Amino acid sequence: DAGVTQSPTHLIKTRGQQVTLRCSPKSGHDTVSWYQQALGQGPQFIFQYYEEEERQRGNFPDRFSGHQFPNYSSELNVNALLLGDSALYLCASSLLGNEQYFGPGTRLTVT
Amino acid sequence: RKEVEQDPGPFNVPEGATVAFNCTYSNSASQSFFWYRQDCRKEPKLLMSVYSSGNEDGRFTAQLNRASQYISLLIRDSKLSDSATYLCVVNQGGKLIFGQGTELSVKP
Repeated sequence: DAGVTQSPTHLIKTRGQQVTLRCSPKSGHDTVSWYQQALGQGPQFIFQYYEEEERQRGNFPDRFSGHQFPNYSSELNVNALLLGDSALYLCASSLLGNEQYFGPGTRLTVT
Repeated sequence: RKEVEQDPGPFNVPEGATVAFNCTYSNSASQSFFWYRQDCRKEPKLLMSVYSSGNEDGRFTAQLNRASQYISLLIRDSKLSDSATYLCVVNQGGKLIFGQGTELSVKP
């Protein structure tokens, strides 16, 4: 049974560029949540997708957007990258938002 | 004030020691509670859910006090492999709110 997978594992971008991160949930899960984890901090909730719709959103600007596909996989898009967007981006899957299981993350560096 | 606050770390303990982590949360509407473990540069892994009745999983015991909005984790007979950052987490309608984490280092 495959767990949560994310791609790519590492990414380097320059300021102003756009990035797309991908996530495939654990088999049987229908809800995908995205988190940003800065160095030395706990993860911060970005948004959650269920039935292809954004169910709720954390305190992140509109530069952060997402999508969920019919197979429950999800993408996180960040536009107009800032240096402060450098972080580990974590995807978590769950059944109806209950116990959430995390993927290995994508480490984004913005230079 | 942070929504979830944990003991500041790091905790440095010898093998075999008992160590306790404490956490408080501010939103009384929080619905469920967890401890996650995170190894350096890895993803958080669910360690255990936390219930008001208290729950135990081997050497780990978790407790929730809803009246005080307080969560605890006790690790008995610490192993070298317990070295990690422990994250206190509350679930608000599917949105996980994490504490900053407490780093544990178990020494031989």
